[in-house]
Amino acid sequence: GENVEQHPSTLSVQEGDSAVIKCTYSDSASNYFPWYKQELGKGPQLIIDIRSNVGEKKDQRIAVTLNKTAKHFSLHITETQPEDSAVYFCAATAGGGTSYGKLTFGQGTILTVHP
Amino acid sequence: NAGVTQTPKFQVLKTGQSMTLQCAQDMNHEYMSWYRQDPGMGLRLIHYSVGAGITDQGEVPNGYNVSRSTTEDFPLRLLSAAPSQTSVYFCASSYSQGSGYTFGSGTRLTVV
Repeated sequence: GENVEQHPSTLSVQEGDSAVIKCTYSDSASNYFPWYKQELGKGPQLIIDIRSNVGEKKDQRIAVTLNKTAKHFSLHITETQPEDSAVYFCAATAGGGTSYGKLTFGQGTILTVHP
Repeated sequence: NAGVTQTPKFQVLKTGQSMTLQCAQDMNHEYMSWYRQDPGMGLRLIHYSVGAGITDQGEVPNGYNVSRSTTEDFPLRLLSAAPSQTSVYFCASSYSQGSGYTFGSGTRLTVV
């Protein structure tokens, strides 16, 4: 099955700096890669996603890049703010029929943005 | 539009007891899943469903049962609770492939 590795496990930055979180996946059939943000005591919330036919996607201060050949994808947050502090998870799925239900998550990155 | 609703929010069980964690969504989503979240382990898939009447096992299905008789509901049953099932449980739903999952607020379960 799919295996997703996420690094780093913790990331501390100063307000205004950029933050980058990286994930690798094992199943070459995976074609959908979402990123989730989880605040304390809440469920994960989808912040951005990318499909395998796209190399990069941006949404304001957040961007995701995908390298299918190397089987890795990354989350980039620019101009970080204290409210960006949370746990971030990457995920991957092969998609297609019943396989889409099998969303495999990375271990998570605790991002702390210092004012 | 309430999204994904999980009940209860907190539960304490004794070893060997059974219970059902409820999950309901009002978004007409076909895909629904149950995850457990443990410290340092991320989110691990327990069971999932791609439509009413269709379920399949995830990464950690042992000790749990599911059924999907309606599009809206996807209950998770613990047959005989064990301390190893102490965790936070999340239910999630999605409209279709590639549209992203919406998560509930979770159920914090403690088995003593």
